[in-house]
Amino acid sequence: EIVLTQSPGTLSLSPGERATLSCRASQSVSNSYLAWYQQKPGQAPRLLISGASNRATGIPDRFGGSGSGTDFTLTISRLEPEDFAVYYCQQYGSSLSTFGQGTKLEIK
Amino acid sequence: EAQLLESGGGLVQPGGSLRLSCAASRFTFSSYAMGWVRQAPGKGLEWVSSISLSGGGTYYADSVKGRFTISRDNSRNTLYLQMNSLRAEDTALYYCAKSAIFGVVTWCFDLWGRGTLVTVSS
Repeated sequence: EIVLTQSPGTLSLSPGERATLSCRASQSVSNSYLAWYQQKPGQAPRLLISGASNRATGIPDRFGGSGSGTDFTLTISRLEPEDFAVYYCQQYGSSLSTFGQGTKLEIK
Repeated sequence: EAQLLESGGGLVQPGGSLRLSCAASRFTFSSYAMGWVRQAPGKGLEWVSSISLSGGGTYYADSVKGRFTISRDNSRNTLYLQMNSLRAEDTALYYCAKSAIFGVVTWCFDLWGRGTLVTVSS
């Protein structure tokens, strides 16, 4: 099983600032099959990024994904008020998928 | 707009069974792999199980293998999760989710239901 470790656990920033979230895998993620999701309280997760860097339909271009192998990053270039939420990475490169524990992005 | 609607959750005693259903609408259900993801109260997401387009391939997290069974009925556009030998640690909101890529077996999910709550307690 591939273990995903997200950091930091909580990130406190202000609107307009840049956010950088990290996801590290215990072994290489096949074909960069790494996704990022956003979840707000009381809502289902929403797919942001697939294949490490491909934005899902309707996702603003301030969201960007990068990385390969074992190290991946989600960057939000300029935070909007609606971006404060919990973010999860997920690897789907093996038949057994796993999620990271999440990063909470909160308003400073 | 495509939609997933879960049902079947509830309160069950340890050792008991429950069957979850997920009704899909407004997309070609048989052309997408599907899965279940759960979230314990106040906790993160946990992938539980996935199934291929035809249902011939099924996959499970180690935590549920041997106790849960995923299946699908493409004629009814419905996904199922049969849960047996339930434990307190299975208590969670169970989401049904649709694969993001047409015709490909992938566990990247672009459509999620609202979830159905399963509580295992005596």
